[in-house]
Amino acid sequence: NAGVTQTPKFQVLKTGQSMTLQCAQDMNHEYMSWYRQDPGMGLRLIHYSVGAGITDQGEVPNGYNVSRSTTEDFPLRLLSAAPSQTSVYFCASSSPGGGGGNEQFFGPGTRLTVL
Amino acid sequence: GQQLNQSPQSMFIQEGEDVSMNCTSSSIFNTWLWYKQDPGEGPVLLIALYKAGELTSNGRLTAQFGITRKDSFLNISASIPSDVGIYFCAGSYNTGKLIFGQGTTLQVKP
Repeated sequence: NAGVTQTPKFQVLKTGQSMTLQCAQDMNHEYMSWYRQDPGMGLRLIHYSVGAGITDQGEVPNGYNVSRSTTEDFPLRLLSAAPSQTSVYFCASSSPGGGGGNEQFFGPGTRLTVL
Repeated sequence: GQQLNQSPQSMFIQEGEDVSMNCTSSSIFNTWLWYKQDPGEGPVLLIALYKAGELTSNGRLTAQFGITRKDSFLNISASIPSDVGIYFCAGSYNTGKLIFGQGTTLQVKP
């Protein structure tokens, strides 16, 4: 199993550009989440999904869109990138049987810089 | 939004020393978890705690779920160089949504 995979690993954008961060998991997990990590602030939840077709907002959803058309994939879209979105983005997945979805497996991250 | 206060922010210790870090919240959680992040990697789950007062070990790591359900601590015994990294606590209401602390950066001097 590859676990949770994220692409790209690094990305540089100009202000106003759009892009999609890809996340895929091969563990048949129902729950998937997107976090951003900024220095000294831990990980903050952006959006999450408890199954295909179901998404909800986390703590910092503004500027990001998500959709979940399959169990395996959970892409994160930046519609108009801003310098404040410079961060490291992590995707995670879990199963309801794994501690109620709390035992999350994380991908390796995407390091995004917005100029 | 809700925040977890994790302390200390950083630690620089000698190999072989024991390490203790803790996490507090203004509200109660049903689950406490501890993750470790190596440089350039995603966090990896170390220990999950599901009952108030629960004490759980994973090798040299021991974590406890506070009786008030508002705190948790993690101990590492006899530290080794590969313990270097950032340790995060996380709390949850069993909805699959995690709230993370700010992290404790651990450095170990051989």
